[in-house]
Order: sequence, then C-alpha cells, then structure tokens
Amino acid sequence: KAGVTQTPRYLIKTRGQQVTLSCSPISGHRSVSWYQQTPGQGLQFLFEYFSETQRNKGNFPGRFSGRQFSNSRSEMNVSTLELGDSALYLCASSHPGQGYRSYNEQFFGPGTRLTVL
Amino acid sequence: AQSVTQPDIHITVSEGASLELRCNYSYGATPYLFWYVQSPGQGLQLLLKYFSGDTLVQGIKGFEAEFKRSQSSFNLRKPSVHWSDAAEYFCAVGPSGGYQKVTFGTGTKLQVIP
Repeated sequence: KAGVTQTPRYLIKTRGQQVTLSCSPISGHRSVSWYQQTPGQGLQFLFEYFSETQRNKGNFPGRFSGRQFSNSRSEMNVSTLELGDSALYLCASSHPGQGYRSYNEQFFGPGTRLTVL
Repeated sequence: AQSVTQPDIHITVSEGASLELRCNYSYGATPYLFWYVQSPGQGLQLLLKYFSGDTLVQGIKGFEAEFKRSQSSFNLRKPSVHWSDAAEYFCAVGPSGGYQKVTFGTGTKLQVIP
C-alpha cells in the first residue's frame, strides 16, 4: 500500500505570495491532518479534515486554510506569506475515529519544505 | 491543556550503549502516548504507541517504552544503540483537543558516536 504523498517536496516563495500544498492520503484513509514544524515552535497542529469538512483547528491565523476533496486528498493554502511561515509542513492520514475522544493511528508523509524569502 | 515535555534537547551515546529518552506529559484523562522518530529531511515514523493495557510497550527497531501513570512519564528505551538510530525523537500525546489532533514534545536529537 502506498504511503502518504506530499507535493511538492520543496518550495521557495517570496513574502506576500501565496502557496498551495497537496497531500494524498493512504488509500482508505479519510482523515487528513496538517502540522507545521519549525525549529522554534516545534510541531504544531494546523487543522484536520474529514469528509471534506474541517473538524478541528489549531491556533493559526486565517492566512492558513485548507480543504479536502471527495477522494480524501487535501490541500492547504497559505496566503500573504511571511518569513516566519518557512517550515516543514507535514500531512498525516488516518481512519477518522468514531468521536471526539476516539483516536486512530496517523501515518505521516515526508513533508513539504517551504522557504519564504 | 495537554502538554508534553522532553527535557533533553540533545543526547550523545556511544554505539552499543543503552539509551533512555525521557518524556513527561500532562493530560486530564488516560492518554494515548506515542514515540515518533524523524530522520533528517524525512517525515515522522511511529516507533510505538500506548493506548491501554500492558504498560511496557514494544515497538519497532528494538525500542520499548514504559507508561508510568504515577510519574506521568513515558520514557523510551533501547538496550543497544546502532549508528542508524541517530535521528530526532518526538514524544506525543493525544487526542489533544479532540479527534486526530496530537500534541508533540519539542524533540530530542540523538547523536551516536562510534
């Protein structure tokens, strides 16, 4: 079974631009979560999508958004890029779990390394 | 709020020596606990997880971890470290704020010397 794939793997943008990152989950996984990893803040949860709906969100500004398609593939978008958005963006997929306190193992992709100049 | 503390930022061990990476957590209920490993430029790979039951958990690559509720700890151990174990290790707790959200520690970078 193929793992989680993320495209592109590397991206260089300039301040003020916007960027879209893509994540294809493991076949059959319908939950997709996004995390930002930086040396200063570590791994921080951005949001989770299930059935094309965002059902959980971290503490990030509105410039960070995402969506999920009917085939469970997900994209995240960052508008008006800032230098501080330079990070490794990780996507994780899983079966969705049956409720708020239910959890299923997540499988992580290799990440997209975004550099903002 | 849930939190995870990994007090050691860097650890250096000799190849063949034993390893213990510390993890303490704060969680209002029985947590799900995880250890992940990340090699340079790579994503996260799950080493092991604790959901319930036996408090000593065996994982991949010869790693194990012990859940100690009284100490709020979930330390990772390996009896004999290999050079290929050099990587960054993250402890995590979930669900953290519901559904699939996980809270990670700040990581411990492991260096293995010959």
